[in-house]
Amino acid sequence: SQKIEQNSEALNIQEGKTATLTCNYTNYSPAYLQWYRQDPGRGPVFLLLIRENEKEKRKERLKVTFDTTLKQSLFHITASQPADSATYLCALDNAGNMLTFGGGTRLMVKP
Amino acid sequence: GAGVSQSPSNKVTEKGKDVELRCDPISGHTALYWYRQSLGQGLEFLIYFQGNSAPDKSGLPSDRFSAERTGGSVSTLTIQRTQQEDSAVYLCASSLGLRMPNQPQHFGDGTRLSIL
Repeated sequence: SQKIEQNSEALNIQEGKTATLTCNYTNYSPAYLQWYRQDPGRGPVFLLLIRENEKEKRKERLKVTFDTTLKQSLFHITASQPADSATYLCALDNAGNMLTFGGGTRLMVKP
Repeated sequence: GAGVSQSPSNKVTEKGKDVELRCDPISGHTALYWYRQSLGQGLEFLIYFQGNSAPDKSGLPSDRFSAERTGGSVSTLTIQRTQQEDSAVYLCASSLGLRMPNQPQHFGDGTRLSIL
């Protein structure tokens, strides 16, 4: 069956370091992958989209990679700040305009 | 505002009662999605509307759950005879849909439903 895995344990890092979050999937051949940020009590907010023919995508301090051979996406936040603390969700397209979301990884950036 | 609006933001009700949750999508978005999120969990897909097509109901957990989308805009998710396991945050999202595929989904802040 199709499965998306994100590390369910919180990631704790020091301010200024690079945070790296992982999204692994099995039994999927997604055409694209999206990353969202979710703060407590709020809905997810879209951050980045990367297509299957793109290896890497950047937006300000964010970088996403997509390795369709390893079936993995990595999400990096460079020069992390306490304001980056949130839960980060990856989502894969699942036919048409539908997305399937991973369980999310909580990031805590300590000052 | 211009975002997705959901109401009520919080709903507490007794087991066995029916509840209605409302979603106002972004104007012009033809696709509308409902998800459920239990505490500390990811998003569980419930139902997807695209324009005037028949909705994809494959994620609805039981026949107590139903949804409508009137006039291609506002949507209502109804849960009949609520059970305690229905307690969760119900999130609505909209997107440009087939007018522009592969676009992000825009979420409301959800309705937190608590069944006593």
